[in-house]
Amino acid sequence: EAQVTQNPRYLITVTGKKLTVTCSQNMNHEYMSWYRQDPGLGLRQIYYSMNVEVTDKGDVPEGYKVSRKEKRNFPLILESPSPNQTSLYFCASSFGNPGREQYFGPGTRLTVT
Amino acid sequence: GENVEQHPSTLSVQEGDSAVIKCTYSDSASNYFPWYKQELGKRPQLIIDIRSNVGEKKDQRIAVTLNKTAKHFSLHITETQPEDSAVYFCAASRSGSSNTGKLIFGQGTTLQVKP
Repeated sequence: EAQVTQNPRYLITVTGKKLTVTCSQNMNHEYMSWYRQDPGLGLRQIYYSMNVEVTDKGDVPEGYKVSRKEKRNFPLILESPSPNQTSLYFCASSFGNPGREQYFGPGTRLTVT
Repeated sequence: GENVEQHPSTLSVQEGDSAVIKCTYSDSASNYFPWYKQELGKRPQLIIDIRSNVGEKKDQRIAVTLNKTAKHFSLHITETQPEDSAVYFCAASRSGSSNTGKLIFGQGTTLQVKP
């Protein structure tokens, strides 16, 4: 089954404790991206990757890191989480570039206390 | 930077009525405009998209119109049904050789269809 998976689905953590949210797709998509969803603000792009070893900042990259060592995986790293990073996070992927249908993962609900 | 403004933020209609959601974009080089539907507790899913070389696209009860000169595009849902109740997001990006990798979303519209 073609899909995008994220883990964990839910996470409660404390300020400053490093965490990683994994994202994996099995559709051989070149383009992958991370978004955060906050009420009234819609989906805001954190980082994106056009292909392996090619990543770039979206609109809200502060406090986040990513890597793209393999085509299928695009982990999101929070080195020192803070309460303002409490949010719902979505990973998405597509063929080529963002001008194609985005396939979203199920989302990760992160709470930082 | 690039920006997409979406209105209204909430919309309530009676079943069978039409609903219209409007978006305005700032990057004149944008040429791909998708609409995503997000049901409660679910992931966003593409419902329709339009590219800048066409002015209108229809798929059954949904349609999207694009005005490149005014830099705005709209989602039209006719004969609304309770299952249309969801959050709808518009977005804009550059595709093809001019793409920047960015996909900018609007703030979302919560549509409620009352039976």
